Amino acid sequence: QVQLVQSGSELKKPGASVKVSCKASGYTFTSYAMNWVRQAPGQGLEWMGWINTNTGNPTYAQGFTGRFVFSLDTSVSTAYLQISSLKAEDTAVYYCARDQQWLALWGQGTLVTVSS
Amino acid sequence: SYELTQPPSVSVSPGQTARITCSGDALPKQYAYWYQQKPGQAPVLVIYKDSERPSGIPERFSGSSSGTTVTLTISGVQAEDEADYYCQSADSSGRVFGGGTKLTVL
Repeated sequence: QVQLVQSGSELKKPGASVKVSCKASGYTFTSYAMNWVRQAPGQGLEWMGWINTNTGNPTYAQGFTGRFVFSLDTSVSTAYLQISSLKAEDTAVYYCARDQQWLALWGQGTLVTVSS
Repeated sequence: SYELTQPPSVSVSPGQTARITCSGDALPKQYAYWYQQKPGQAPVLVIYKDSERPSGIPERFSGSSSGTTVTLTISGVQAEDEADYYCQSADSSGRVFGGGTKLTVL
């Protein structure tokens, strides 16, 4: 079954870090780049960037440089999003989505809540 | 990167036709894609390459393109079509989403 399964919800304090995982199955992981998309509460979809699953080269959208890091472990077909120095405004659902220019395959989303 | 502009909301009665537009300067050169998102769920692709429909998407969903505007049309709207709809486009530098349109079925 072709799917992306993300890690569970996280509750973090401001200043902490979080690492979200996205495990692919049912297809060749390195055949498609992986996107990351943020959705703040009550807001729209925001493209964060993507990572080339062959080379590991990430591309970050404007506004997602510095504290955001995309990485891979191709041995377990998993992509990761790490956010450091968390702020309250990072509270959102984070999605991974397989790239084909369009995003036909999405993970179920991971809610990251940042609160003291 | 460029911007895609959608109306915040569209309302239609059941059985009527809903049209949701998406405007952007790059659209004459780039394909557009459409997603449906219901509360608490991940987005679902409903149209790709301006007008192609993925398998499993009902025939009442269609897409068209004219100049700098693409349009998602839902014919014979049903209550279950009430959702947020997002357009998306792509170029070599990345992907961009429109702001989203809330479709209300009256």
